[in-house]
Amino acid sequence: KNEVEQSPQNLTAQEGEFITINCSYSVGISALHWLQQHPGGGIVSLFMLSSGKKKHGRLIATINIQEKHSSLHITASHPRDSAVYICAVGLSYNTDKLIFGTGTRLQVFP
Amino acid sequence: IAGITQAPTSQILAAGRRMTLRCTQDMRHNAMYWYRQDLGLGLRLIHYSNTAGTTGKGEVPDGYSVSRANTDDFPLTLASAVPSQTSVYFCASREQGRVDSPLHFGNGTRLTVT
Repeated sequence: KNEVEQSPQNLTAQEGEFITINCSYSVGISALHWLQQHPGGGIVSLFMLSSGKKKHGRLIATINIQEKHSSLHITASHPRDSAVYICAVGLSYNTDKLIFGTGTRLQVFP
Repeated sequence: IAGITQAPTSQILAAGRRMTLRCTQDMRHNAMYWYRQDLGLGLRLIHYSNTAGTTGKGEVPDGYSVSRANTDDFPLTLASAVPSQTSVYFCASREQGRVDSPLHFGNGTRLTVT
């Protein structure tokens, strides 16, 4: 079993829909990262959080430490949100090491 | 430049050849990382460096070496490339020790070993 699991693997949506991507992990963590990778490869950090909730524009990230679960929400989705979203966790006992999920591929159609 | 620069963008390499992937950052981050990304797998850590002069092994270090002579540069060397090293390689950096320091990634190097 992977230490970081994302769901769903693939997601399609119509423009304007509310999107939720989930990340569950099985290890003790110092922080959780949400990353975005557009076709063509560049990876951008969206959020880094260790508790609670963060919001940036139409993106919201939440984390529940007790349940070892995080969600990334996109409100009023747009075709430019189409990308792969990657969850990564920093280990609490080795902050040098990040474990990455395999990503959720999101396609938003107009 | 602003951020992280990787070179080359892509490369086709014959098996057995030596290759160095370059990575330079201008953010004065202390920590730098090399990852490989393969279809169906998450990003996997090859090597890392917490500060100039020190390096460490990640999950998949075999066949790769790194050096960190200064803060800005973190080259990755394949001494004798093999086809299983065909992958997309990403360099990243962050300020280790700051809880609010996110990862910054380069644009990647697509390497094909034939």
